Amino acid sequence: ETGVTQSPTHLIKTRGQQVTLRCSSQSGHNTVSWYQQALGQGPQFIFQYYREEENGRGNFPPRFSGLQFPNYSSELNVNALELDDSALYLCASSSDRGMGGYTFGSGTRLTVV
Amino acid sequence: AQRVTQPEKLLSVFKGAPVELKCNYSYSGSPELFWYVQYSRQRLQLLLRHISRESIKGFTADLNKGETSFHLKKPFAQEEDSAMYYCALADNTDKLIFGTGTRLQVFP
Repeated sequence: ETGVTQSPTHLIKTRGQQVTLRCSSQSGHNTVSWYQQALGQGPQFIFQYYREEENGRGNFPPRFSGLQFPNYSSELNVNALELDDSALYLCASSSDRGMGGYTFGSGTRLTVV
Repeated sequence: AQRVTQPEKLLSVFKGAPVELKCNYSYSGSPELFWYVQYSRQRLQLLLRHISRESIKGFTADLNKGETSFHLKKPFAQEEDSAMYYCALADNTDKLIFGTGTRLQVFP
């Protein structure tokens, strides 16, 4: 299946640690967004990158940071992990800043203990 | 405040019955609205967007600005429609604001 690939699929970290989640966008997609989905909730917007620059940020603290690379892959970094950071993290990419809809990855399930 | 509300967590119907998944939004500008669907063990995927006024898998959704609603409808539900449905709004920075989702169960 082509599209958005995320790694790893599952991850367990200890409170206070740092984590990096990775996303490989669909070819040609210059916009990537990251979402946090807690159990029983809809995805919550973390931030978006367009052509390697941050293009919008949701209500998340600065310890959530990201990067987008020239090959359209991207990273989500979370420092000083807290128990409430346990969630499914979704990456989504688009070729037209989302107007045609986003293609989502399967997500990374992060558990903080 | 920008918000998407899906009042029903669970909607259960029998095969062949009509389906309406409710979505209301709060947004000061001109919204771009979408429905995303997640089938069991699959990733979230776009079902339809209001701007294209299309029908996908028999589903339609009409934007009603007066009622600030974007309800998803299908006249005859099928078992394969069972899934989690999310209504989403794209704001002027292109980020998506999702509702909490409605689980549709279609019984045979």
